[in-house]
Amino acid sequence: IQMTQSPSTLSASVGDTVTITCRASQSISSWLAWYQQKPGKAPKLLIYMASSLESGVPSRFGGSGSGTEFTLTISSLQPDDFATYYCQQYNSYSPWTFGQGTKVEIK
Amino acid sequence: EVQLVESGGGLVQSGGSLRLSCAASGFTFSNYALNWVRQAPGKGLEWVSGISGSGTNIYYADSVKGRFTISRDTSKNTVYLQMNSLRAEDMAVYYCAKAHPYSYGYDRPYYFDYWGQGALVTVSS
Repeated sequence: IQMTQSPSTLSASVGDTVTITCRASQSISSWLAWYQQKPGKAPKLLIYMASSLESGVPSRFGGSGSGTEFTLTISSLQPDDFATYYCQQYNSYSPWTFGQGTKVEIK
Repeated sequence: EVQLVESGGGLVQSGGSLRLSCAASGFTFSNYALNWVRQAPGKGLEWVSGISGSGTNIYYADSVKGRFTISRDTSKNTVYLQMNSLRAEDMAVYYCAKAHPYSYGYDRPYYFDYWGQGALVTVSS
């Protein structure tokens, strides 16, 4: 299953609301996770089951979607949120695959 | 506190071998699958291999099948990735990642809830 994220890069300012889209090449129900990665660091889980917020993750992060189209929304962008974001599908019948990543940079 | 600590990375010649280790702590080791995910320099994340908590179910990406072998040692709370016939395209940071299953007692589906700090594998030609 191929995962395609858009955009590849996103320029935004502190306080903005940003949306990242992830599309699956076939239906994955809600078996989707979102991760945040900062340079030189391991990925960090943000969202699982498409819309469930991982414990300890700020509520300004939100996920939605099912089937083949998903979104990650970050409300009121904070300085700590500038990073690269990856979606990942994890359905039971195919290898785990990631989107190519979306870099959120400061405008 | 869950901790995953990778070791064993380094410089190896093309065609050579290397074994990565991931020492786990802070959870019941035999209850959770563990995976390896890699990231080539400046690139995205690529899942490489996974092994169930019991060691019964093993998965490989097509790109490493036949060259890499995953295993786990419950007595040492450690998962390994034996990498043979290494190629330039295998050069990456290799992360160990713990599985969070949808339903306990079942292997899949699962996502990755904890990650190690990574081990760098450099392949020279």
